[in-house]
Amino acid sequence: GENVEQHPSTLSVQEGDSAVIKCTYSDSASNYFPWYKQELGKGPQLIIDIRSNVGEKKDQRIAVTLNKTAKHFSLHITETQPEDSAVYFCAASTGTASKLTFGTGTRLQVTL
Amino acid sequence: DAGITQSPRYKITETGRQVTLMCHQTWSHSYMFWYRQDLGHGLRLIYYSAAADITDKGEVPDGYVVSRSKTENFPLTLESATRSQTSVYFCASRAARDIQYFGAGTRLSVL
Repeated sequence: GENVEQHPSTLSVQEGDSAVIKCTYSDSASNYFPWYKQELGKGPQLIIDIRSNVGEKKDQRIAVTLNKTAKHFSLHITETQPEDSAVYFCAASTGTASKLTFGTGTRLQVTL
Repeated sequence: DAGITQSPRYKITETGRQVTLMCHQTWSHSYMFWYRQDLGHGLRLIYYSAAADITDKGEVPDGYVVSRSKTENFPLTLESATRSQTSVYFCASRAARDIQYFGAGTRLSVL
């Protein structure tokens, strides 16, 4: 089955700096790659996603890039703010049901 | 309120007891999912359902049972709880374009 690896497990940046989280996947048939943000005591919330026919997608301060050849995708957050502090999960899915396989998460801390 | 709700939010039980976690969605999404979240593992799929009366195993189904008699409900039952099932459980439903929406989770402790 699919295997998703995520790095780093923790990331500390200063407010205003950029943060980058990287994931690799194993199944070349995977075609949908969402990123979720999870705040303490809450469920994961989708922040951005990308499909296999697109190389990059941006939404304000957040961007995701996908390299199908290398089977890796990355989340980029620019101009970080304290409210960006959370745990971020990447995921990959394939098939009719779009079952998600998640990475192990990155705890992002934005310091003042 | 529209959305996906899980109950209870917190549950403490003893080994060997049967426990049922509830999940209800108001969108009429066809697909629903159950995940467990453990430190170092991210979220892992337990079971999923494509429609009422259609369910299938995920990555970690052992020790769990699901049913789906109505589109909006997808309960997860631990027939005989074990300590290894202590975890946070999330229910999700899938909208158009593959997007999954998650509930707030149930924190289960098995003593």
